[in-house]
Formats: sequence, C-alpha cells, structure tokens
Amino acid sequence: EAGVTQFPSHSVIEKGQTVTLRCDPISGHDNLYWYRRVMGKEIKFLLHFVKESKQDESGMPNNRFLAERTGGTYSTLKVQPAELEDSGVYFCASSRLSKRLVAETQYFGPGTRLLVL
Amino acid sequence: KNEVEQSPQNLTAQEGEFITINCSYSVGISALHWLQQHPGGGIVSLFMLSSGKKKHGRLIATINIQEKHSSLHITASHPRDSAVYICAVSGSGGGADGLTFGKGTHLIIQP
Repeated sequence: EAGVTQFPSHSVIEKGQTVTLRCDPISGHDNLYWYRRVMGKEIKFLLHFVKESKQDESGMPNNRFLAERTGGTYSTLKVQPAELEDSGVYFCASSRLSKRLVAETQYFGPGTRLLVL
Repeated sequence: KNEVEQSPQNLTAQEGEFITINCSYSVGISALHWLQQHPGGGIVSLFMLSSGKKKHGRLIATINIQEKHSSLHITASHPRDSAVYICAVSGSGGGADGLTFGKGTHLIIQP
C-alpha cells in the first residue's frame, strides 16, 4: 500500500508569487488533513477534509490560502500571493473514516518545504 | 483550545539508558498520539492511545486520562532511536479532529 505522497518536496518562490502544493492520501482514506510547521514552532493544524467536504478550516491563516479536494481524492493547497511568513514545512496526513466516531491513526506525508524569499 | 506541553525539550543520553518523555494536555481528548521524526525524515505514528498502556518492541506508551498526562518510554535505548518525538492530541469532538501538537522532544542517544 502506497503511503501519503506530497509534491513538490521543496519549493522556493518570491514574495507575491503563487504556489500550489499537492497531497495524495492513502487510497480509501476519507479524512485528509493539512498541517504546517513554521521554523522553531510546533506543528499547527490548517484544515480537515472528509471526502471532498471541508470539515474544519479553523486553522487556515487567512484568505490567501485555498484548499481543495475535488472528487475526494487528492488535495491541493494554494497560497496566493505568498508572503515571507508562509515559509515552513507543509504536511499532509490521511486516515480512515471511523463510523464509531473514534480517533484513527493519521499517516503523514513527507512534507513540502516552502521558502518564500 | 488544548494546550500540549512536552518535557524535556532536549535530551541526550547514553546507549542502553532508559528514556522517559512526558506529555501533558489541558482539555479532555479522544486520543493521544506519539509520533517520531528522524532527521530529514517523515513523521511516523508510533502509538495512538486513549487509555492504559501500549507496547511495541522497546517502546512503551502510557496515559492517565484523569491526570491528563502521558509518557513515552524507551528501554535499552540505541543511537537509532535518536529523533524528535512529538506528542499530539485529538479533540473530544468526534475523534477525527485535526491534531494539536506539542513542541517535540529532541532525543540524542550517544554510543
């Protein structure tokens, strides 16, 4: 079974440019999460999809960030326009959908390292 | 909003030592996760627990729900255990909530 994959692994862009990150979850995982680690800080939650629906986007920093999960498979996270403080590592994770409303193990992708200059 | 605190932040030990990493949280949860990240590597889930104790090889995780506290133990530590260990919690809302993370513990095991 393939794990969670993310593309690109690294991205260096200039302030004001647009970047799109992609996450492919484990096949059959309806839950998909985006997280971010800014240098020196703990990992923070950005948003949660259940299939194609946004379940919780309370962690999205501002409206420069747009996440989509068309068809309930892969997800994209677009930052437009990018600012210096958007630099960090963006992780995606996926998990099974539990019918019993209990937590399931989340499987993490390798992350995308974003540097905004 | 849950606050997750880990201690210690940094730990250096000799090979073979017994290691303990602690995690406390402020609000009720549905589960607590222990994660591992090797330098330059991805994040791997070690344990997910909501009560009691779990063991996998040389790793043991315990949780005390009443005290809102969990510990991760490593027995007979080895240099390959050197990594960042992260505690994270799932909210009590329904189990599938996004995780709230601690800052992580940087563990170095010297040969």
